[in-house]
Amino acid sequence: KAGVTQTPRYLIKTRGQQVTLSCSPISGHRSVSWYQQTPGQGLQFLFEYFSETQRNKGNFPGRFSGRQFSNSRSEMNVSTLELGDSALYLCASSLRRPSSEQYFGPGTRLTVT
Amino acid sequence: AQRVTQPEKLLSVFKGAPVELKCNYSYSGSPELFWYVQYSRQRLQLLLRHISRESIKGFTADLNKGETSFHLKKPFAQEEDSAMYYCALQETYGQNFVFGPGTRLSVLP
Repeated sequence: KAGVTQTPRYLIKTRGQQVTLSCSPISGHRSVSWYQQTPGQGLQFLFEYFSETQRNKGNFPGRFSGRQFSNSRSEMNVSTLELGDSALYLCASSLRRPSSEQYFGPGTRLTVT
Repeated sequence: AQRVTQPEKLLSVFKGAPVELKCNYSYSGSPELFWYVQYSRQRLQLLLRHISRESIKGFTADLNKGETSFHLKKPFAQEEDSAMYYCALQETYGQNFVFGPGTRLSVLP
């Protein structure tokens, strides 16, 4: 099976812009979670989607949003980018929920200048 | 709030020496606990979880509810074990995952 894929892999944006990141889960997986990874804060949970519904949300401002499509692919959007949003954004998929085994994608490296 | 701590940012051991990566957690419910590993230039991947009580690549981890710890151990470290290790907690009923800050293990020849 193909693993979790994320596009794009690298992105450079300017403060104030918005960005959309995409995640394609492993075939058959219905749960998609997003994480932000930074050197200072480590891995922080953003949100989880299952069957096109947001099931959990981490402690991030409303500028961070996401959605999931009927084919389980997910997108996350960050509006009004700030310098502090520069990070590696990881997507992970699971077969079901609750599920303890998450499969991670390679991440999208976002740089905000 | 739930929290996962890993006191060592960097742990260096010699090949063949025992290794223990510490993980402590605070959570009022019954969590599920995991160790994830990220080798150089590879994706984050599950190493083991406490409910399966298995040994993966020679690593074991025991959940100590009294001490709220889930330390990762291996009796004889190998150079290929060098990686970033993250302890993670999943809240009851499949809620959020909380990751620790990670420990970088360096196994010296």
